Amino acid sequence: AQSVTQLDSQVPVFEEAPVELRCNYSSSVSVYLFWYVQYPNQGLQLLLKYLSGSTLVKGINGFEAEFNKSQTSFHLRKPSVHISDTAEYFCAVSSNTDKLIFGTGTRLQVFP
Amino acid sequence: DTGVSQDPRHKITKRGQNVTFRCDPISEHNRLYWYRQTLGQGPEFLTYFQNEAQLEKSRLLSDRFSAERPKGSFSTLEIQRTEQGDSAMYLCASSPPSGGSETQYFGPGTRLLVL
Repeated sequence: AQSVTQLDSQVPVFEEAPVELRCNYSSSVSVYLFWYVQYPNQGLQLLLKYLSGSTLVKGINGFEAEFNKSQTSFHLRKPSVHISDTAEYFCAVSSNTDKLIFGTGTRLQVFP
Repeated sequence: DTGVSQDPRHKITKRGQNVTFRCDPISEHNRLYWYRQTLGQGPEFLTYFQNEAQLEKSRLLSDRFSAERPKGSFSTLEIQRTEQGDSAMYLCASSPPSGGSETQYFGPGTRLLVL
């Protein structure tokens, strides 16, 4: 069975500071990894995904994530956050069965 | 490309009533997924279709829940005899043909409140 753990339920940060949102996964098979963002009262939007190849993945809005197989992690980073990045962020895993298994989410709160 | 649409966006119902939600996927996406998201949690997989075939159902999908995709286009999710525990956001997503690496595009969700 696959599972995803997001270690921080909330991350407060000041505007223009760097941020890292942590994600660990477990799986007995090869997986694909995703980060989605959810703004209030909206659906989920894909930030980035790791399928294979380079372990550093760049996404939209200046976000990037690094796949670390030995540590089974896929942490999300941004060097300088904006107020508009305030949202809920979800890490997810899938395999050939297609369905996404999500973590419980991390609420990023950016303060001016 | 208008994206995934869901109707209604909000639904308030009394316990014991039946409700039905509709999802229209992105055109030419043959895969359609339903997820449920409760407050403070990540979305949980309910079921998915490839064209009109329902290929997988979660244990979360009790016998009060039924999903259909009769012509391989839009899908409906019906909940019979609603319970307060059914209160949640119901999300629909679609993806183009391929394996699990394809991006799932999510709709805005239907928020259900059972009184």
